[in-house]
Amino acid sequence: GAGVSQSPRYKVAKRGQDVALRCDPISGHVSLFWYQQALGQGPEFLTYFQNEAQLDKSGLPSDRFFAERPEGSVSTLKIQRTQQEDSAVYLCASSSRRGLAGDRTGELFFGEGSRLTVL
Amino acid sequence: QQPVQSPQAVILREGEDAVINCSSSKALYSVHWYRQKHGEAPVFLMILLKGGEQKGHDKISASFNEKKQQSSLYLTASQLSYSGTYFCGTSQGMGGSNYKLTFGKGTLLTVNP
Repeated sequence: GAGVSQSPRYKVAKRGQDVALRCDPISGHVSLFWYQQALGQGPEFLTYFQNEAQLDKSGLPSDRFFAERPEGSVSTLKIQRTQQEDSAVYLCASSSRRGLAGDRTGELFFGEGSRLTVL
Repeated sequence: QQPVQSPQAVILREGEDAVINCSSSKALYSVHWYRQKHGEAPVFLMILLKGGEQKGHDKISASFNEKKQQSSLYLTASQLSYSGTYFCGTSQGMGGSNYKLTFGKGTLLTVNP
């Protein structure tokens, strides 16, 4: 497709269940980001991949969160033993560039997100 | 450090102007503006780099004052399609974490007919 695709769009999990959220970035995009967006808040950085390398996972809230991008394209965010505080929209974004700050074209293309509700 | 956006919300009539501010307590290298409609993906508006520049995008423009660590987004002659939540994202440098954006809490803009 033309844009960033995320699935599932909606996921309801019982506390303690494991979930996996998928992101299909724009073809050929080098950089891939995961952000967490709580209700009424701005996106919060979770992790960053450059091709298949996870260069930064400092934003992952706990060791229950795990992300991978094994072939440098599709990425999966996995949350183990979900807790109620994990409820949020998980946004994936991709970029054709390797960095953002110094680049006038460092636009992030976001997906519509996966809304996770933990009961 | 999360940038602070103001106002939190603003309601306009079509054709009116608005200004959204974004300020940081830390030195900034770049400011990125996005708009998100309810239930949709954030959409890129523009990037401003260190250097005090001002950019325009149709009737939406922005300025970046690096000395004050502030950016402002100007929406003139607002249209119904401008409704949404506006986020500023800030980056603090060219170094190892130049890919990381820290977003503000957003400003909800509602444009009524």
